[in-house]
Amino acid sequence: QLQLQESGPGLVRPSETLSLTCTVSGGSISSSHFYWTWIRQPPGKGLEWIGSIFYTGTTYYNRSLEGRVTISVDTSKNQFSLKMHSVSAADTALYFCARDDSYDSPGYDYWGQGTQVTVSS
Amino acid sequence: DIVVTQSPATLSLSPGERATLSCTASVSISTYVAWYQQKPGQAPRLLMFDASKRATGIPARFSGSGSGTDFTLTISNLEPEDFAVYYCQQRSDWPRTFGQGTKLEIK
Repeated sequence: QLQLQESGPGLVRPSETLSLTCTVSGGSISSSHFYWTWIRQPPGKGLEWIGSIFYTGTTYYNRSLEGRVTISVDTSKNQFSLKMHSVSAADTALYFCARDDSYDSPGYDYWGQGTQVTVSS
Repeated sequence: DIVVTQSPATLSLSPGERATLSCTASVSISTYVAWYQQKPGQAPRLLMFDASKRATGIPARFSGSGSGTDFTLTISNLEPEDFAVYYCQQRSDWPRTFGQGTKLEIK
């Protein structure tokens, strides 16, 4: 059974960099069928797509975050990561990683449990 | 970016009733829509893909329809566990975008 697990600091200071990692187990991140995605949810609000990466390193980003966000993949560790620079309180959210099945059933079919990130001094 | 709008924001119904949730895209997206269900404290769950195809393990009381710009998620004979927030997402183009969600609450 595929599992995704987010990890990283729960508290980040304003203007600093948020760094999260998603570890994939029970399957390979190096598949041509899947994108690997970060999605966030501010408290009490809806889902916001942050960006996706293919195992080759091809990336797509939310235009409103582009320039502050970098998603990378480490196939040797079966992980992908999110870095968000110059964070502010508006970046406080529950951050999810998810698998995007672009082949059989297009959609996010596996999700991590989410990790809460608070931006505060 | 493609804007996705859901309505209503909140839907109040009783168990056993039928729920009809709407999703509208700002441009034609064929049938490239997915629907998700999210319960409090949980990650979203994929319900439907390609507008009308149920994901693995999703009960037959969930159905989806639509193409172009207008889409509908229908839940027939509501069960207590169906009361949750539902999101649609366009998968036609990058960046992917979600609707703002519809909260289905018990009347």
